[in-house]
Amino acid sequence: AQKVTQAQTEISVVEKEDVTLDCVYETRDTTYYLFWYKQPPSGELVFLIRRNSFDEQNEISGRYSWNFQKSTSSFNFTITASQVVDSAVYFCALNNAGNMLTFGGGTRLMVKP
Amino acid sequence: DSGVTQTPKHLITATGQRVTLRCSPRSGDLSVYWYQQSLDQGLQFLIQYYNGEERAKGNILERFSAQQFPDLHSELNLSSLELGDSALYFCASSVEVANEQFFGPGTRLTVL
Repeated sequence: AQKVTQAQTEISVVEKEDVTLDCVYETRDTTYYLFWYKQPPSGELVFLIRRNSFDEQNEISGRYSWNFQKSTSSFNFTITASQVVDSAVYFCALNNAGNMLTFGGGTRLMVKP
Repeated sequence: DSGVTQTPKHLITATGQRVTLRCSPRSGDLSVYWYQQSLDQGLQFLIQYYNGEERAKGNILERFSAQQFPDLHSELNLSSLELGDSALYFCASSVEVANEQFFGPGTRLTVL
């Protein structure tokens, strides 16, 4: 069985602070894919990144960066110099090359001006 | 805009009723997924179709059913509705099963 845990249910930061959202996953498969999605207050789910289990290279996209560590089964997401527009619920998800996404419970990020 | 469309955006109905939610995937995507988001259960996978055929089932109730049509749009049918069925229902699509899934804006269902 697959499981994704986002231990931080809510994080509050002040604008321009850096913030890291934690994600820990469990799977018995050797091939799997990890994802991050953003759900702003408007409600839609926005795809941010996909990583496969064979690629442990960290990725940076603007103010966003992701740290994938197989040894600790973690796929953490860092926002540098946070902005008010980053306020949203962020979901980590796992796909074991099957069909479904297994989502974590989400982390609500509040960025205050 | 993800390219996935869902209608209606909001739906209010009574217990015991039946509703149909509609989804059009992104152009070229063969795989369609349905998810339910509720406060107590979080985001849960319901069912997946690939090119017209059911591919996988998750925590989908027997009162719920879905299908994917030849033009690849999909419908999720919810019947004998209960208060607990109130949730946000998302449709997503992808090119292949392991690729990223792009989500529609969702249909918010309220059962009174």
